Amino acid sequence: SQTIHQWPATLVQPVGSPLSLECTVEGTSNPNLYWYRQAAGRGLQLLFYSVGIGQISSEVPQNLSASRPQDRQFILSSKKLLLSDSGFYLCAWTGGADTQYFGPGTRLTVL
Amino acid sequence: EDQVTQSPEALRLQEGESSSLNCSYTVSGLRGLFWYRQDPGKGPEFLFTLYSAGEEKEKERLKATLTKKESFLHITAPKPEDSATYLCAVPAYSGGGADGLTFGKGTHLIIQP
Repeated sequence: SQTIHQWPATLVQPVGSPLSLECTVEGTSNPNLYWYRQAAGRGLQLLFYSVGIGQISSEVPQNLSASRPQDRQFILSSKKLLLSDSGFYLCAWTGGADTQYFGPGTRLTVL
Repeated sequence: EDQVTQSPEALRLQEGESSSLNCSYTVSGLRGLFWYRQDPGKGPEFLFTLYSAGEEKEKERLKATLTKKESFLHITAPKPEDSATYLCAVPAYSGGGADGLTFGKGTHLIIQP
């Protein structure tokens, strides 16, 4: 069966510091991968998606970037965090069908 | 622009008191409507996918239905463990070979014993 992992689970970072969040999927190959952010009082917002290694598409302009160095690994990064980057970051995957399956999430607090 | 609106924002029910949650959408050419359940501090858990008007799907005390403009999540004789935020979403065509989802803000459901 397929499993999706995210780490860290929680993170507290100062403004201006770098960020690296990791997502990995097990039990499938060539998945589509997604990064979403869920901010307080707002719905889930799609940030990036990837259909293959090295292929990244961004949905909204922002202070973040994404990379996919391996088939089942998706990384969300920032060079300098802003207060507005705080939120709950979720990684999701699909294996060719429509349904997206979400990971456990990373709670990021920028102080 | 595709939009998804959920109502009510919050709903408090007594155990055993049945009710319905609403999800209305404005999309050009629906390619599926998804329901998820999200517990506090956790990622959304997939519940149902509906593709065409008139379609219904059930899982335990939950039944999802779809019309041309909205979807309902019916909760029959709920239990406290059904307390969660329920999210609906539709695919947002991006043209890049992978569709993200556009989510509503969710309905926060509380079932009191």
